[in-house]
Amino acid sequence: DSGVTQTPKHLITATGQRVTLRCSPRSGDLSVYWYQQSLDQGLQFLIQYYNGEERAKGNILERFSAQQFPDLHSELNLSSLELGDSALYFCASSVVSANTGELFFGEGSRLTVL
Amino acid sequence: GIQVEQSPPDLILQEGANSTLRCNFSDSVNNLQWFHQNPWGQLINLFYIPSGTKQNGRLSATTVATERYSLLYISSSQTTDSGVYFCAVHLYNFNKFYFGSGTKLNVKP
Repeated sequence: DSGVTQTPKHLITATGQRVTLRCSPRSGDLSVYWYQQSLDQGLQFLIQYYNGEERAKGNILERFSAQQFPDLHSELNLSSLELGDSALYFCASSVVSANTGELFFGEGSRLTVL
Repeated sequence: GIQVEQSPPDLILQEGANSTLRCNFSDSVNNLQWFHQNPWGQLINLFYIPSGTKQNGRLSATTVATERYSLLYISSSQTTDSGVYFCAVHLYNFNKFYFGSGTKLNVKP
């Protein structure tokens, strides 16, 4: 158990819908990262938050948004879903923003868009 | 751009064999990690190894930061070692981790 909690573990929805994925980082970790992994693909970095502020942005679509709340949990919102958004979405956390700090992953949220 | 290259992309082993996975990176790093993604999709931390050598049971890793590569050694492989092995690097002055495309390992009984 990495200590990073993601919910829901599985989600099936239809095209055009909106979903919210939730992540609770490890106790004491200030940074949260979101990654997308499509079938048999590598990990695509979406976005990073540090202590409530956006710190880095990757290949995140405009239909996607995220935030980190004062209690440090984070949510990834995916809207106007398309078939191609079906993927495993990972949240990871680390103690610090950059330069040091080991990255720990949650178990992922598997999204299926029908 | 930043390049993180892993080799080989695919590897098939007989149970009990040894293997070496490689990760090359194109810039100076201050953090390097190896992960194992098991067939159920979980990403397991193997090593946090920006430099030097570490060992954990049948697995060991070496990072030579000055030459920009890291090696993951798996000895006496078991079927439970199957999955994808990723290396990830964190570069100075960049606020994100860069992942390699992974080495897919299949250990056959």
